[in-house]
Amino acid sequence: DAKTTQPPSMDCAEGRAANLPCNHSTISGNEYVYWYRQIHSQGPQYIIHGLKNNETNEMASLIITEDRKSSTLILPHATLRDTAVYYCIVRVASSGNTGKLIFGQGTTLQVKP
Amino acid sequence: DGGITQSPKYLFRKEGQNVTLSCEQNLNHDAMYWYRQDPGQGLRLIYYSQIVNDFQKGDIAEGYSVSREKKESFPLTVTSAQKNPTAFYLCASSKGQVRGQPQHFGDGTRLSIL
Repeated sequence: DAKTTQPPSMDCAEGRAANLPCNHSTISGNEYVYWYRQIHSQGPQYIIHGLKNNETNEMASLIITEDRKSSTLILPHATLRDTAVYYCIVRVASSGNTGKLIFGQGTTLQVKP
Repeated sequence: DGGITQSPKYLFRKEGQNVTLSCEQNLNHDAMYWYRQDPGQGLRLIYYSQIVNDFQKGDIAEGYSVSREKKESFPLTVTSAQKNPTAFYLCASSKGQVRGQPQHFGDGTRLSIL
């Protein structure tokens, strides 16, 4: 599975959009990009995932560059409850592998009033 | 509401004792997973199961055992052979592997040694 690189920390003002970048320059054609977040002492929460196209759901938007070497998670209107560690993960989706998710160090997003 | 339920939230183990962590899901997911998280660390895969009555070892299976007798249940036993069991244990499930189906996690069980 491809390695990802994220900034260790970011700040965002409450009510503003939070844009979290992720580099995955060695991603292969059959690897998906997943975003999770983890609030202290809770299990990771799935946010969104995509393969090639941009995706949007009720929580966030995922923008994947045309060459797929990087992506951005967008929280459109950040609230204090969005303060968490955000993980970008790339993984092959096939029945032949374990399916394990490899969580790196992630980005600690601090939303400030 | 559909989801993954892990119990108990906190568990204490005495030396030489086996303990079992419960994981139940009502999402009708085929695949289930157990991960371990240590402070400041990423998740490490202990065991996974892609279908009922079948499971496979992950990266750190020594000292652990699992069963998958029912689709909705995937209990993890931490045996006395696991010498460093203090950690945060996370159970996850997914519809399967194809088409990028995401894993969804429970809220974890924190295991400590008395």
